[in-house]
Amino acid sequence: NAGVTQTPKFRILKIGQSMTLQCTQDMNHNYMYWYRQDPGMGLKLIYYSVGAGITDKGEVPNGYNVSRSTTEDFPLRLELAAPSQTSVYFCASSQGLGRGGSGNTIYFGEGSWLTVV
Amino acid sequence: RKEVEQDPGPFNVPEGATVAFNCTYSNSASQSFFWYRQDCRKEPKLLMSVYSSGNEDGRFTAQLNRASQYISLLIRDSKLSDSATYLCAVNNVNTGNQFYFGTGTSLTVIP
Repeated sequence: NAGVTQTPKFRILKIGQSMTLQCTQDMNHNYMYWYRQDPGMGLKLIYYSVGAGITDKGEVPNGYNVSRSTTEDFPLRLELAAPSQTSVYFCASSQGLGRGGSGNTIYFGEGSWLTVV
Repeated sequence: RKEVEQDPGPFNVPEGATVAFNCTYSNSASQSFFWYRQDCRKEPKLLMSVYSSGNEDGRFTAQLNRASQYISLLIRDSKLSDSATYLCAVNNVNTGNQFYFGTGTSLTVIP
């Protein structure tokens, strides 16, 4: 069972470089999310999407961009990487209420560890 | 004000102890509530959903108090394998189905 798949798992970037974190889910979930998690700071929402073609900002969107061209994919782009973007990034998806099945829980990918030096 | 507040701990308890975690949330319109477990350098994984009537899964009991806007998790007969960080989460479908997480409570079960 693949679930939510993120790549790469680890990456070191130099300041000013750009990169894309890939995320795909095979559960046909409409809702997808990108979180970052810093030590002792909990999960902070960067961007989310309620369906293909629709994205919206979360709590900490600055320095990031997303797109949602298909239901399955939700890549996160970092433009002009900064040391403050050193973090663990989690992609996630959820089914939404009223759709039956396992209910409205959120499922996470394994995380991408990013270091900006 | 944070959407979800949670005591970060850490909680260090001996094997066999009972330990309780609490979490408060600020938005009374929140509809769904959860406890997640996160092991070191791993992703959060669903431990259990929290229902209004309270629910139990083996040694774990979750409760929801809508009037006071808090959720709780009780772990009985703690095992070494329960050592992890526990995150509470609340969901509001009216805000793009966003999930808000507490900062997590660290639990270490000591032999």
